[in-house]
Amino acid sequence: EVQLVQSGAEVKKPGESLKISCKGSGYSFTSYWIGWVRQMPGKGLEWMGIIYPGDSDTRYSPSFQGQVTISADKSISTAYLQWSSLKASDTAMYYCVVVPATNDAFDIWGQGTMVTVSS
Amino acid sequence: EIVLTQSPDFQSVTPKEKVTITCRASQSIGSSLHWYQQKPDQSPKLLIKYASQSISGVPSRFSGSGSGTDFTLTINSLEAEDAAAYYCHQSSRLGTFGQGTKVEIK
Repeated sequence: EVQLVQSGAEVKKPGESLKISCKGSGYSFTSYWIGWVRQMPGKGLEWMGIIYPGDSDTRYSPSFQGQVTISADKSISTAYLQWSSLKASDTAMYYCVVVPATNDAFDIWGQGTMVTVSS
Repeated sequence: EIVLTQSPDFQSVTPKEKVTITCRASQSIGSSLHWYQQKPDQSPKLLIKYASQSISGVPSRFSGSGSGTDFTLTINSLEAEDAAAYYCHQSSRLGTFGQGTKVEIK
């Protein structure tokens, strides 16, 4: 069974750094893309970016380029989403998804990681 | 960036009624348009892919149509369990989502 398990909820202060994770299992981690989706409280879904762990090819939405970094460690089948300096506006639920190709539908979703940024 | 505009933003519907949600793209995306359902405190669930392809395990009352810039999600004979937010998503160029449509049961 294909599964994505995300790291637990985080509470951080503005200016702090953070790296959340998404571990894939049940499939060939290096042969599928992993994407990230943001959902701010009470709001809709936003496509952030996507990475191919096989060669680390990474593509970002213009809205998120330079704001976050997406990476992957294929040795442990884990993708990451990281911030160098969090803002209150980064408070959101973050989902990871796995897809065979960049133009595919998001069939498999992680359970989500809630990030709260507050002073 | 391709913008997806859904309508309506909100719909209050009685059980067994038919629901139609539209999604318009700012430029042609072929059939690279997918629909999701999200219930409170749950991850989104794929309902329809590539505009009209059904997904295993999704009730047959959900169907999709359209191509190019105009797409429709139809829920025939709405059931109480269909109360949720619905989102369209284009995967033609990177990715974007529509703003969502909340469906409430009267």
